[in-house]
Amino acid sequence: AQRVTQPEKLLSVFKGAPVELKCNYSYSGSPELFWYVQYSRQRLQLLLRHISRESIKGFTADLNKGETSFHLKKPFAQEEDSAMYYCALHNQGGKLIFGQGTELSVKP
Amino acid sequence: NAGVTQTPKFRILKIGQSMTLQCTQDMNHNYMYWYRQDPGMGLKLIYYSVGAGITDKGEVPNGYNVSRSTTEDFPLRLELAAPSQTSVYFCASSRGEGQPQHFGDGTRLSIL
Repeated sequence: AQRVTQPEKLLSVFKGAPVELKCNYSYSGSPELFWYVQYSRQRLQLLLRHISRESIKGFTADLNKGETSFHLKKPFAQEEDSAMYYCALHNQGGKLIFGQGTELSVKP
Repeated sequence: NAGVTQTPKFRILKIGQSMTLQCTQDMNHNYMYWYRQDPGMGLKLIYYSVGAGITDKGEVPNGYNVSRSTTEDFPLRLELAAPSQTSVYFCASSRGEGQPQHFGDGTRLSIL
């Protein structure tokens, strides 16, 4: 079965603390994984994709095929990082499979 | 450049009514998608289209219909609204398979 799991509904950290949003996937093929973000009153938008191997707004995510994970990390959280974060997997049928989402709250 | 535009933003329907959610994109994308998002859940794919004249079912197509007569437009039709269709609906588009998807602002639909 193709599935994306984000185990945390809500993650609350203080400004300046490290943050890790967990994402695990179940997929038999070679996965293409993405992180999407939705800031308050804004539309859902792409944050980063694993094939780019880039850092966006200080966030990085490494694909770990052994652990079937694609956790999103940032060493020092900022208040403006508060948002809903969705991990998504692109299957070979061209469809995106989303996780349930994690709400990140960064407190001052 | 408006990107993906959805109308209306909000709508309340009575059980059994029908309506069409509009979606248009100005990026000349071939692929378009409709998702629904229920509270506390991720987005689930309703229908998608890989080009004008071509549509296919997603994970939760029952109770919905779509058409794709032009590259720009991908309307979603509810024929007989049911309370279970109360949700937030998102339209998205992408250049091609595996490419990042661009989302609209969503339509919040309540069926009473």
